[in-house]
Formats: sequence, C-alpha cells, structure tokens
Amino acid sequence: RKEVEQDPGPFNVPEGATVAFNCTYSNSASQSFFWYRQDCRKEPKLLMSVYSSGNEDGRFTAQLNRASQYISLLIRDSKLSDSATYLCVVKWSGGSYIPTFGRGTSLIVHP
Amino acid sequence: NAGVTQTPKFRILKIGQSMTLQCTQDMNHNYMYWYRQDPGMGLKLIYYSVGAGITDKGEVPNGYNVSRSTTEDFPLRLELAAPSQTSVYFCASSPHNPGEGNTIYFGEGSWLTVV
Repeated sequence: RKEVEQDPGPFNVPEGATVAFNCTYSNSASQSFFWYRQDCRKEPKLLMSVYSSGNEDGRFTAQLNRASQYISLLIRDSKLSDSATYLCVVKWSGGSYIPTFGRGTSLIVHP
Repeated sequence: NAGVTQTPKFRILKIGQSMTLQCTQDMNHNYMYWYRQDPGMGLKLIYYSVGAGITDKGEVPNGYNVSRSTTEDFPLRLELAAPSQTSVYFCASSPHNPGEGNTIYFGEGSWLTVV
C-alpha cells in the first residue's frame, strides 16, 4: 500500500517564527514530490515542487531525503497569511503515475 | 483562463437520488482525477483517467461511476446517494510528464450533502 503520512498538527506559531513540517512516504519507487497549500473551504493549490537537490522559493524551502523517505517544508519569518493546511503529495513511478495526498498539516500563525 | 471547472458548487441530495458532478478542463491535459475530502481528512482518490476512453478505480470507487468520452470532460456520477457520500468533491487534471514539476490543477470543489 502506498502511504503518505503527515502530522496533522495544528502547529500554532507566532508571526516571524520558523516552522518545519515533515512528510514520510512508504514506497521507495516514488517519482515526484510536491507541497500544496489548502485554505479553508478552498481547493488545494501548488506551493512548490520538491526537487532532489532541494529548492527554495522566498521564505519557503523544500527538501527531499530519499534514503529516509521523507520530504520537508521549512517556512521562515511566518506571516499571518501563511495560516493554512499544507498537503504533501507524492507521485509513484511505474504504472499510472497517480498522485497520492497526505492528510495535511494545519498551520496557525498568530500575532 | 478557465482551467478546471466543476459544477454544481453546492447540492443537497436525498438518500437514494442520483446525480452527476460535471468537470471540464481546457488545458488539454491527459490525466484527470476525482477526489473526495471529508472534514479534517486528506483527499481520497475515487476514479482517474489517463486519457479519453480510459478510466480506472482509485482508493474509494464504490457508489460512483465515471466516463471519459473526450479529453476535456470527466463527469462523476453518484448512483443511489447515501449519507456516507456527504463530502467535498474535487476534480483535478495534470499533464503526463514523468519527472519533476508536474503540477496538478484543481477545480474549486463541489459541496455535496446527502440527507
């Protein structure tokens, strides 16, 4: 079975804090990795892809550890507007290449 | 720039009724998906399609049917609605480019309540 596991949280942090989420996946044949953001009662939207060498987009840094089978998302200088649920997405290689979603990690940034 | 369009946005069904959730995309994507999301939970795959004329079951297909007669359209049919099908339904699409950076685009969701 192909599992994607996330700590549901919530992570409750003050503005300006640095916060990190991890996501573990069960199948070593995983091909592609993503972080999506989902606001309350909205559809998920791509935050960033996760590349093998790690990548950064402004205050957000994503990393992949294939040996330990996890990906991470680091948010620096948290803003109130970062409050959302962050979904880990894994696509499996071979066969149909279908994305599997974690249940999401809830982040609440407070003043 | 329409992207993925779902209708209806909200619907209340009575137990035993049937309905179809419509989904269309204008990005010429091969892959299309239907997910459901229960409160506080992740997205569960109902059905998916890798191209016109090809569909396959996901994790939770029971009680649903799909068809893919064109690249653009991927309707989801609920037969004999049950309270357990109360959920938010998301249609999504993506191009088929194995490797990194393959974005999944979502519709805005359809809120379905079965009473």
